[in-house]
Amino acid sequence: DTGVSQNPRHKITKRGQNVTFRCDPISEHNRLYWYRQTLGQGPEFLTYFQNEAQLEKSRLLSDRFSAERPKGSFSTLEIQRTEQGDSAMYLCASSFNANTEAFFGQGTRLTVV
Amino acid sequence: RKEVEQDPGPFNVPEGATVAFNCTYSNSASQSFFWYRQDCRKEPKLLMSVYSSGNEDGRFTAQLNRASQYISLLIRDSKLSDSATYLCVVKESNDMRFGAGTRLTVKP
Repeated sequence: DTGVSQNPRHKITKRGQNVTFRCDPISEHNRLYWYRQTLGQGPEFLTYFQNEAQLEKSRLLSDRFSAERPKGSFSTLEIQRTEQGDSAMYLCASSFNANTEAFFGQGTRLTVV
Repeated sequence: RKEVEQDPGPFNVPEGATVAFNCTYSNSASQSFFWYRQDCRKEPKLLMSVYSSGNEDGRFTAQLNRASQYISLLIRDSKLSDSATYLCVVKESNDMRFGAGTRLTVKP
């Protein structure tokens, strides 16, 4: 399967714990995006990478959130000191360049209890 | 004002009906436009790109009006399997913005 892969698919964590999600984009895709989606809403932009460079971060991305793409391939999204409001689906997408279509992974559903 | 706005619906239509969705965007410098389909608790999947001249893919027709900054999607001869949320997507040089989605239910 050469699509976008996200792990884990589901994560349940206690409030205050740290969690890390991984995204493996489609090979040769230079752009990688992270989004958050809650029920009934469209995906909200969090951040994106052009190769290994993180070029933009949404103001939604508080200091507790950090994302990396160290070698320009896979990316990780870490949430520190999770809060109940962090419960959402976290989606990763990749595209070849700025103007081409993006393809999504199946997402990681986070539940903070 | 939201960057990408869609009528949330829901649109409830009978099989065979024609239904149209509109989407407006605020950034006149936006470069690329897409419609995605999202089924319940699944990831968004690309339905079609939207070109300036308009484009058609089977029962689906997409149009772009740059002057008025809106995009439309027309679905003809609706099928039960078309039931989903349709997301309007606007790509700028820096990022990709989604509308909140329009929910469509096609009924027998």
